[in-house]
Amino acid sequence: QKEVEQNSGPLSVPEGAIASLNCTYSDRGSQSFFWYRQYSGKSPELIMSIYSNGDKEDGRFTAQLNKASQYVSLLIRDSQPSDSATYLCAVNIEYGNKLVFGAGTILRVKS
Amino acid sequence: DVKVTQSSRYLVKRTGEKVFLECVQDMDHENMFWYRQDPGLGLRLIYFSYDVKMKEKGDIPEGYSVSREKKERFSLILESASTNQTSMYLCASSPAGPNYGYTFGSGTRLTVV
Repeated sequence: QKEVEQNSGPLSVPEGAIASLNCTYSDRGSQSFFWYRQYSGKSPELIMSIYSNGDKEDGRFTAQLNKASQYVSLLIRDSQPSDSATYLCAVNIEYGNKLVFGAGTILRVKS
Repeated sequence: DVKVTQSSRYLVKRTGEKVFLECVQDMDHENMFWYRQDPGLGLRLIYFSYDVKMKEKGDIPEGYSVSREKKERFSLILESASTNQTSMYLCASSPAGPNYGYTFGSGTRLTVV
């Protein structure tokens, strides 16, 4: 069974701080990695994708990938109360784009 | 803007009823997926399809079936609804290939009484 592990949280950070969300995966053959944000009662929304080792930045979000350690993370700079949500890590496990999702990390940004 | 539309936002059905959940995407995506999401259990894959008239079982297919007669439409069928099928059902689609994330529909919250 291919697995994606996330700390369920909640992770609480003060407004303006950096939030760091982490994810590990078991399938060494995985090539594509995604972060989704899900507000309470809503469906998941894709916010970041990363395919190569290193960092990828998009606005206040930075995704980091280390394939050797089978580790992917999401940094949110200048965290805002509107960032409070559940963040899901997803990993591609086979051709055809079948994703395995982690259970999600709850983030709470306190004003 | 790309869109995945699920026919109902909220649905209440009785035990034993046959239930149809409809999902339509307007992005010409090859892949379509049905998940259910329950507190503490995360997203669980029920069925998926990589092409018209093609279907594959996911992790929890028991009690469900699917139909994909047209590329844009993927239907989930609960043959005989039971209370343990009360859940949030999420449809998603993506282009073919490993480098694309999913686009999710807004979800259907199904309650079976």
